[in-house]
Amino acid sequence: GESVGLHLPTLSVQEGDNSIINCAYSNSASDYFIWYKQESGKGPQFIIDIRSNMDKRQGQRVTVLLNKTVKHLSLQIAATQPGDSAVYFCAETADYKLSFGAGTTVTVRA
Amino acid sequence: DAGVIQSPRHEVTEMGQEVTLRCKPISGHNSLFWYRQTMMRGLELLIYFNNNVPIDDSGMPEDRFSAKMPNASFSTLKIQPSEPRDSAVYFCASSLQADTQYFGPGTRLTVL
Repeated sequence: GESVGLHLPTLSVQEGDNSIINCAYSNSASDYFIWYKQESGKGPQFIIDIRSNMDKRQGQRVTVLLNKTVKHLSLQIAATQPGDSAVYFCAETADYKLSFGAGTTVTVRA
Repeated sequence: DAGVIQSPRHEVTEMGQEVTLRCKPISGHNSLFWYRQTMMRGLELLIYFNNNVPIDDSGMPEDRFSAKMPNASFSTLKIQPSEPRDSAVYFCASSLQADTQYFGPGTRLTVL
C-alpha cells in the first residue's frame, strides 16, 4: 500500500549545528504535508506545513522542502537547540486523513 | 488560546472495566479526530467527525470501541469492556475543515 516513511529512525546533532530530517512518501495524490514534533509525554505539535504547489516554505528556524519528482520531504532546523530534542513526524494527506511516518528521534548533544 | 483539552491525562483500569476518554476541541474547529499511539503501530486514526457527524470510523478496532460527539465542543471515546491490548496513548485532534490538525496532550491508558 501507499505509505509515508522516514529514512532515518534516529539523528544525533551537536548543539548549534543544522539538522535535516528526511521523509519519503509514495501517494502521488497527496497535496498537503505537515511536520509535527512530539516531545516525551506530549501530543504531536504542529511545526510547519507545505502544500503541493510549493517547493519550499520557511518558518522560524525551520524550513520544509518538497520534491514532488522524487516524492521527498525534508525538515531543516537551523542552529539546533536542546529544546529541539524530540520525535519528528512527517504526515501527508489528500483529504482529511493524515498518514504519519514512523518518526525520527532527534537528540541534541551539548 | 486554549488548545485541545483531554481528560483524564492518565487512566489505569482493570481488564473488563469501561473506560471513557474525553475531548474538548479548539473552539471554532469543526473536525475532530481520535488517534491511538503505540510503539508497535505508531499513530493510528480511529475515527473522524465533521460537524459532529462521524464520517470515517474504519479505524475503530472493534465493537468494544465507540465514540460520540454530542455537540461541537465535546467528544468521548469509550472502550467497553477494556482489554490489556488497549493500553496506549489516545490523542484527540481538531481542525478547521481538512486543514492542519492540532493535537491534545493525550490520555495514557493502562489496562491491567
